[in-house]
Amino acid sequence: DTAVSQTPKYLVTQMGNDKSIKCEQNLGHDTMYWYKQDSKKFLKIMFSYNNKELIINETVPNRFSPKSPDKAHLNLHINSLELGDSAVYFCASRTMTRNQETQYFGPGTRLLVL
Amino acid sequence: AQSVTQLDSHVSVSEGTPVLLRCNYSSSYSPSLFWYVQHPNKGLQLLLKYTSAATLVKGINGFEAEFKKSETSFHLTKPSAHMSDAAEYFCVVNTGFQKLVFGTGTRLLVSP
Repeated sequence: DTAVSQTPKYLVTQMGNDKSIKCEQNLGHDTMYWYKQDSKKFLKIMFSYNNKELIINETVPNRFSPKSPDKAHLNLHINSLELGDSAVYFCASRTMTRNQETQYFGPGTRLLVL
Repeated sequence: AQSVTQLDSHVSVSEGTPVLLRCNYSSSYSPSLFWYVQHPNKGLQLLLKYTSAATLVKGINGFEAEFKKSETSFHLTKPSAHMSDAAEYFCVVNTGFQKLVFGTGTRLLVSP
């Protein structure tokens, strides 16, 4: 069973379109994240939600809007897509054990904006 | 601020030879450190993590890493490389604010 799943796996779209990426975790974790991996493989956090509440919002354009309908889901909606949005987007969920945290990542969504 | 530096963008080894992927960290307190692996077109998989319980950490697939405070290092090693180890490896530090900061990655190439 996949612990953190994302859909779609690949997404090719035109500039200006609006698209959504979905993420679900079946680990029972309270905290979920979105990361962006650019063409040079650099990974950077975008957002974090804890129990459906936004707790981390890095300096991401407001065209990106995360939505968490429940603590098992964290979706990412992107308006007016731009060429620079092309990247791999990873969802992750976090567990805490004895004050030590570990994040588990989904398989990624490869977004290509043409 | 917490950060990690991966000293090599690429490492090439022959199958059966040892692997060393280097990582130095910068942290104002005792950090939590991780190594993640990303196989081509795949997601990120946790290899191992250091959480101050023991300085030598064993992970999956025969990898291990040693936390050396005096050298601010957390290098990843494996005694004998396998072709399936070819991937991108990321050294990661927990900033303490529920955020992970990733290194720039090291691509491991394994030749027959």
